[in-house]
Amino acid sequence: DQQVKQNSPSLSVQEGRISILNCDYTNSMFDYFLWYKKYPAEGPTFLISISSIKDKNEDGRFTVFLNKSAKHLSLHIVPSQPGDSAVYFCAASGLRGSQGNLIFGKGTKLSVKP
Amino acid sequence: DAGVTQSPTHLIKTRGQQVTLRCSPKSGHDTVSWYQQALGQGPQFIFQYYEEEERQRGNFPDRFSGHQFPNYSSELNVNALLLGDSALYLCASSFDLLALNEQFFGPGTRLTVL
Repeated sequence: DQQVKQNSPSLSVQEGRISILNCDYTNSMFDYFLWYKKYPAEGPTFLISISSIKDKNEDGRFTVFLNKSAKHLSLHIVPSQPGDSAVYFCAASGLRGSQGNLIFGKGTKLSVKP
Repeated sequence: DAGVTQSPTHLIKTRGQQVTLRCSPKSGHDTVSWYQQALGQGPQFIFQYYEEEERQRGNFPDRFSGHQFPNYSSELNVNALLLGDSALYLCASSFDLLALNEQFFGPGTRLTVL
């Protein structure tokens, strides 16, 4: 049973517009969420994270929103750029205060068209 | 500063054989985690090493074993290879600080089992 779900395998957005990537989770014990970006032939690269005590975290063009009651988080990229084209993974961690293993979703492939 | 490095890049084995994958963590990192990413899936946690001991383990059989050396580098061993073990194997390193969950990933080793 998948604990972290990314239901959209792909997303296509025009350059300059907003990209919204969604992620749902089922385990209420998760207390830390992360987004990773992956280019072909490279390992995932950490993008942004959010603790369960917050509902929003912003870093430049990237903002992550967390809705705990809905067990839903989203990543907003504004404005989208062609270099943002990659696979985006949502991940969750459930061990408060320590390094824990990450539970990943299947990923969403974002294509930003010029 | 070198990031996480993994060797080899690609590997082809036949069923029943054994394989050893290697990982050097990012400078300053002392914790190494291994993930398996099957085609079209997100990375799945195998196990994590800290202070040369296995700290956590995911849902993988005993055929998967590991080791961490005093210099924090790590090996992943898989015995009695099955076709289903074909995947990208990712190593991630981190520094064991409280509530710090950002892991840095290597480019991975692509294992093909024939």
